Amino acid sequence: GAGVSQTPSNKVTEKGKYVELRCDPISGHTALYWYRQSLGQGPEFLIYFQGTGAADDSGLPNDRFFAVRPEGSVSTLKIQRTERGDSAVYLCASSASQGVTDTQYFGPGTRLTVL
Amino acid sequence: DQQVKQNSPSLSVQEGRISILNCDYTNSMFDYFLWYKKYPAEGPTFLISISSIKDKNEDGRFTVFLNKSAKHLSLHIVPSQPGDSAVYFCAAMKSLNAGNMLTFGGGTRLMVKP
Repeated sequence: GAGVSQTPSNKVTEKGKYVELRCDPISGHTALYWYRQSLGQGPEFLIYFQGTGAADDSGLPNDRFFAVRPEGSVSTLKIQRTERGDSAVYLCASSASQGVTDTQYFGPGTRLTVL
Repeated sequence: DQQVKQNSPSLSVQEGRISILNCDYTNSMFDYFLWYKKYPAEGPTFLISISSIKDKNEDGRFTVFLNKSAKHLSLHIVPSQPGDSAVYFCAAMKSLNAGNMLTFGGGTRLMVKP
């Protein structure tokens, strides 16, 4: 079946602009996660959704970052007033539920470059 | 402060030999550990996991060992194959936390030479 998809695969923007990154999870998966991977580092947790609600947004670096999942499926990560330090690969993952043994399946990521 | 560390950024192994990837963690609240494998331009894919109530879990060529007292885990790949060449991430979670978000190490790039 279809895996997690993310669009766009690459996004280049200028400092100060607004960007939206989209994640389509595996159908039926209720849990959705956003992570950010900077160059040479491992992914870092940003936010977690269970259904439509953001159950934990403790990883969001500041209030320029916001994410929604209005219908409990597709999620959008929104970044306002982008800064060069926001450049990274943004990864989305989904799992069937929030159980410990529920594998998180990752999408290929969106590479964001802020000039 | 990094709670999960992979101190070797890269490892080179001959085909057919054993690959050993290491991972250390500092947070004693972590009780479930995973290894993910990542190819370029793809997302990480789950490889193998282990609960803190166990000290070993095996799946085919892959075995994960956990030493809770040392806060150390390792992934053994035997025999190593060229297709195993990828970046391997160690990850940890606290099962009591709702959501089970993962805390990752920085990764180790494994190169298996034919």
